[in-house]
Amino acid sequence: DGGITQSPKYLFRKEGQNVTLSCEQNLNHDAMYWYRQDPGQGLRLIYYSQIVNDFQKGDIAEGYSVSREKKESFPLTVTSAQKNPTAFYLCASCGQDNEKLFFGSGTQLSVL
Amino acid sequence: QKEVEQDPGPLSVPEGAIVSLNCTYSNSAFQYFMWYRQYSRKGPELLMYTYSSGNKEDGRFTAQVDKSSKYISLFIRDSQPSDSATYLCVHWTGGSEKLVFGKGTKLTVNP
Repeated sequence: DGGITQSPKYLFRKEGQNVTLSCEQNLNHDAMYWYRQDPGQGLRLIYYSQIVNDFQKGDIAEGYSVSREKKESFPLTVTSAQKNPTAFYLCASCGQDNEKLFFGSGTQLSVL
Repeated sequence: QKEVEQDPGPLSVPEGAIVSLNCTYSNSAFQYFMWYRQYSRKGPELLMYTYSSGNKEDGRFTAQVDKSSKYISLFIRDSQPSDSATYLCVHWTGGSEKLVFGKGTKLTVNP
């Protein structure tokens, strides 16, 4: 089945630790996105990539990093510089129709 | 500033009720309007999409856009417990611009 796979479903981070969230898609989509969702808040864009080997900062990029070495993969690293990382992280992709985002099932990140 | 205002609820209705979810926006450049449905601890999924004023119907769901008042609505007829979710209204100016998400309205349909 085509879709977006995020892993792990739950992740715990210790103080000062970097953690990486995985996002893989087999939809052959060029564009991929990372959003952060906090309780009672809308989705906030962290980073996005329109094409392989290129990505742009979103609205809340500080403390995060990404790479886009393959079309299918767009991992997100939450660095120790991100002081409030506890949130639900969503990866999405879209094809030619930019408005039709397909989302993964999310990763809940918590701080120990 | 590009903003989308959405009543967060929560909204609780009995099964079979007609549900009205509403959203306002400030950027008149918005051309496209979407509703996403998000079940608890899942990724959102596209429910309805429209780019014009007026109504768009899909089964029990109707999306209504009033560009003159910058107001959009989602109506759910004969609501079911399976409709219990958070509904996100989303606006987009088109092209390479980013989608703008509302904060979502949490709906519970009680059997």
